[in-house]
Amino acid sequence: DAKTTQPPSMDCAEGRAANLPCNHSTISGNEYVYWYRQIHSQGPQYIIHGLKNNETNEMASLIITEDRKSSTLILPHATLRDTAVYYCIVPPSFNDYKLSFGAGTTVTVRA
Amino acid sequence: NAGVMQNPRHLVRRRGQEARLRCSPMKGHSHVYWYRQLPEEGLKFMVYLQKENIIDESGMPKERFSAEFPKEGPSILRIQQVVRGDSAAYFCASSPEPSGETQYFGPGTRLLVL
Repeated sequence: DAKTTQPPSMDCAEGRAANLPCNHSTISGNEYVYWYRQIHSQGPQYIIHGLKNNETNEMASLIITEDRKSSTLILPHATLRDTAVYYCIVPPSFNDYKLSFGAGTTVTVRA
Repeated sequence: NAGVMQNPRHLVRRRGQEARLRCSPMKGHSHVYWYRQLPEEGLKFMVYLQKENIIDESGMPKERFSAEFPKEGPSILRIQQVVRGDSAAYFCASSPEPSGETQYFGPGTRLLVL
């Protein structure tokens, strides 16, 4: 599995964009980058995933660098309900159902 | 469409007892995954099942743990002779196909072993 590195925590003001970085320097050419989040006492929730192109959906945007060694998850207008632990995951391409969650980034959105 | 359901939400067992955790996948989902989250750690994959088949149990401890997903009824994660180190949150996820992008997680079962 490609190892990912995320900052342990970050704060964000409500209504502002939250930019969450992730390093995955050992990623291989056909491995996807997934982002999940876990709100306190709940199960994880899928946010977005991508291979090499930038992706956007109703929840967030994912920016992947050209060399694919890092990516940034962008929550465009953070709300208090976005307070959660955010996980950047790179599962092995041959069985990408096998998600492995590290420590993640604890994001606290403040009013 | 009801989400993934797990029960019980909380389970207390004494050392040496058995724990049975149940997971009902979302309607139309035939792929089930179990994960374990130890205190202060991230979730770790345990096992992937389809109806009546264990596809990948590479994350499951070799002893005392077993999982099934029968033709009828929920998926069951069974832990025999529980020890204090089994105390954790156990999450089930389901998906319509085997992938990382379409796994929908349940609320988890929090197991406490006294």
